[in-house]
Amino acid sequence: SQQGEEDPQALSIQEGENATMNCSYKTSINNLQWYRQNSGRGLVHLILIRSNEREKHSGRLRVTLDTSKKSSSLLITASRAADTASYFCATDVKGNEKLTFGTGTRLTIIP
Amino acid sequence: EAGVTQSPTHLIKTRGQQATLRCSPISGHTSVYWYQQALGLGLQFLLWYDEGEERNRGNFPPRFSGRQFPNYSSELNVNALELEDSALYLCASTLQGWGYEQYFGPGTRLTVT
Repeated sequence: SQQGEEDPQALSIQEGENATMNCSYKTSINNLQWYRQNSGRGLVHLILIRSNEREKHSGRLRVTLDTSKKSSSLLITASRAADTASYFCATDVKGNEKLTFGTGTRLTIIP
Repeated sequence: EAGVTQSPTHLIKTRGQQATLRCSPISGHTSVYWYQQALGLGLQFLLWYDEGEERNRGNFPPRFSGRQFPNYSSELNVNALELEDSALYLCASTLQGWGYEQYFGPGTRLTVT
């Protein structure tokens, strides 16, 4: 079963707007990561946030983690057409070295 | 620095045949992970190899197997192919101790007819 569930499943916004995606998970985690996948290709790592961190930034990306609510959010500011992709959260649990991926959010940026 | 490479890009097999997929990790990475991404099912963890040993396995039948070679490249074998094995198979590599950040290859698209 999927550990993470992304919300929404699909999101369409105008170029220049901000995009927010959410991820909820079920069990206590070690780390949470966000990945991007362009149409049917390999995944690209975006950002990793550890369970003792609450917020992390990388360029136009901002990730928050709320371990009490077992949720994370990914904010992409000033979106561009090139941001059109599927976004996945992935979690790992201490002592079990594998990533469990969520179901993904399909983001479409309208030029 | 070269990224993770996978071959072949596409593979078409018939039901009952065997498929072999290959992966070369980033130089210096010792861990290789395999995932299956079937339509509508998201990414499912298949196998993890590190230092030539299978370290963890996902919820897949034994006809999914693999190995890791001394140069850390890896092979995924799928025996007795079924139609539902049609999927994108992704390989990723990590440098142990880097907090599990994974670097993915472009994938092999397996189609079973």
